[in-house]
Amino acid sequence: DQQVKQNSPSLSVQEGRISILNCDYTNSMFDYFLWYKKYPAEGPTFLISISSIKDKNEDGRFTVFLNKSAKHLSLHIVPSQPGDSAVYFCAAISADKLIFGTGTRLQVFP
Amino acid sequence: DVKVTQSSRYLVKRTGEKVFLECVQDMDHENMFWYRQDPGLGLRLIYFSYDVKMKEKGDIPEGYSVSREKKERFSLILESASTNQTSMYLCASSLAGGGGYQETQYFGPGTRLLVL
Repeated sequence: DQQVKQNSPSLSVQEGRISILNCDYTNSMFDYFLWYKKYPAEGPTFLISISSIKDKNEDGRFTVFLNKSAKHLSLHIVPSQPGDSAVYFCAAISADKLIFGTGTRLQVFP
Repeated sequence: DVKVTQSSRYLVKRTGEKVFLECVQDMDHENMFWYRQDPGLGLRLIYFSYDVKMKEKGDIPEGYSVSREKKERFSLILESASTNQTSMYLCASSLAGGGGYQETQYFGPGTRLLVL
């Protein structure tokens, strides 16, 4: 059973607009979350993370929000750029394991 | 910069062959991991290692084994390759800290394996 879910396999956004990628999880014991970005034919690269003691973490154009009661996190990219087009994975840490979602393919068009 | 390298970008093997995938990291990381990535399934952990000669099963270890004889090198072995092992294989490493996984994992470029 998928403990970390990304229900939108793809998202298309116009350049300059906001991209919102969503992630849900089922295990309330998860205490640390990460977002990775993956270009084709490359390994994932770490983007941003958030601890369960926070509800928001910001790094430049990227902000991650965590809603523990809803077991939901989201990644906001503002403004979106064509170079942001990639697959985004959210991941949760629990009991020494890193559990990935299935990924959302973001396409930013001009 | 952390560098994680994988021995091959693309591999084509036949069913029943023994396959070795090599991963090397140059940052003296204690932890190393092997994942496979399949469409619609995300990244799934096969095996990981906290230290030399140590290994732990991940979520899908069946059909795989690993070897970590040196700190910088972590090998994934398919004893007898099968067509359902056609996939993208990704290696990662991280520093140890807290529960180990709390440290950011750095990934290699991946090996795309096709088993015929």
